[in-house]
Amino acid sequence: DAGVIQSPRHEVTEMGQEVTLRCKPISGHNSLFWYRQTMMRGLELLIYFNNNVPIDDSGMPEDRFSAKMPNASFSTLKIQPSEPRDSAVYFCASSFLNNEQFFGPGTRLTVL
Amino acid sequence: AQTVTQSQPEMSVQEAETVTLSCTYDTSENNYYLFWYKQPPSRQMILVIRQEAYKQQNATENRFSVNFQKAAKSFSLKISDSQLGDTAMYFCALINSGGGADGLTFGKGTHLIIQP
Repeated sequence: DAGVIQSPRHEVTEMGQEVTLRCKPISGHNSLFWYRQTMMRGLELLIYFNNNVPIDDSGMPEDRFSAKMPNASFSTLKIQPSEPRDSAVYFCASSFLNNEQFFGPGTRLTVL
Repeated sequence: AQTVTQSQPEMSVQEAETVTLSCTYDTSENNYYLFWYKQPPSRQMILVIRQEAYKQQNATENRFSVNFQKAAKSFSLKISDSQLGDTAMYFCALINSGGGADGLTFGKGTHLIIQP
């Protein structure tokens, strides 16, 4: 099993640009989670999906952030426009029901 | 809202010693799971150990064990015979177990350093 796949691993962009982070969950898992990790705030849940349906997006910081899951094998997290305070490591995780969440390697985003 | 608190930002011990990382939590739910995750410099999140709240017996995984005190809402991690490879950030996390999946609530982490 390839595990959770995230791309890109690193992203450097300029303020105002659109950023799209991608995630492929583990096959057979029906829940997908997006987390953000910063020094100041630690690990925070942004949004999660069950069976491709967004369940709780209360952690999404503002309207500049959006997430989609068009099918069971793909999800995107988009930031438009990006700001320097969005710089963080973004993790995607997947699970089957409420079993262990498997994390991807993360995307390190730097917004200049 | 549920919270997880790790009061030790950093700890340092000698190789082969035993170390205990503290975690307290707060939740209004009666059914939940508790986890310890390890994050080495590679930043990969690795599950160390898991505890179901309804189980009284403390979970154990090789050199890793927990002391789960439900009434006190305490969930500490003990690492025995510590090794250099144990150097990492350790996060305590909580998830509700009712119904479908839910997101993890993490503590701020403890940076554990194993000295040779």
